[in-house]
Amino acid sequence: QKEVEQDPGPLSVPEGAIVSLNCTYSNSAFQYFMWYRQYSRKGPELLMYTYSSGNKEDGRFTAQVDKSSKYISLFIRDSQPSDSATYLCAMINMDSNYQLIWGAGTKLIIKP
Amino acid sequence: NAGVTQTPKFQVLKTGQSMTLQCAQDMNHNSMYWYRQDPGMGLRLIYYSASEGTTDKGEVPNGYNVSRLNKREFSLRLESAAPSQTSVYFCASMRDSGNTIYFGEGSWLTVV
Repeated sequence: QKEVEQDPGPLSVPEGAIVSLNCTYSNSAFQYFMWYRQYSRKGPELLMYTYSSGNKEDGRFTAQVDKSSKYISLFIRDSQPSDSATYLCAMINMDSNYQLIWGAGTKLIIKP
Repeated sequence: NAGVTQTPKFQVLKTGQSMTLQCAQDMNHNSMYWYRQDPGMGLRLIYYSASEGTTDKGEVPNGYNVSRLNKREFSLRLESAAPSQTSVYFCASMRDSGNTIYFGEGSWLTVV
């Protein structure tokens, strides 16, 4: 079993829809939780990071962490075609030399 | 602000040839990483360097060597390229607070 599970998609939704992207994890020592966006033929870029359970909002994006369920989500409101990309979740085990564990990525397609 | 710069962007090698991927960061980060990314596999860590003068194996180190030349530069060498090493390679560096990792643009390598 992988330490981080992420549905690879693709997930296809119409423009304007609310998108929910999710990752589950198994190691309760994970402390930092991050979402990266990767456009085709580009390197991943940081979208959001959170440390604690709860919600963090940045414009149309909301990151949610539920440590009790070992579940993180990224919500995108009013989705735009420019949001079409692969979204990767990542987690850091601060007790293990900053070991960084990645999800496989979810490909998101926003249809105009 | 250059961030993480890696070269070359594209390379075609014949089986058995050697080559070095170069990476440099200008953010004064201690930690640097080399990943490979394959369809359906997500990002897999090849080697990392927690500080100048130190390197450690990641998940898939076989067939690769690395050099942390100084704080800025971290190179990845393929001594005898194999078709299984056809992939996209990303160099990255991590902020010392451990909550953000920055990626280069990627190097597309094909071994024929």
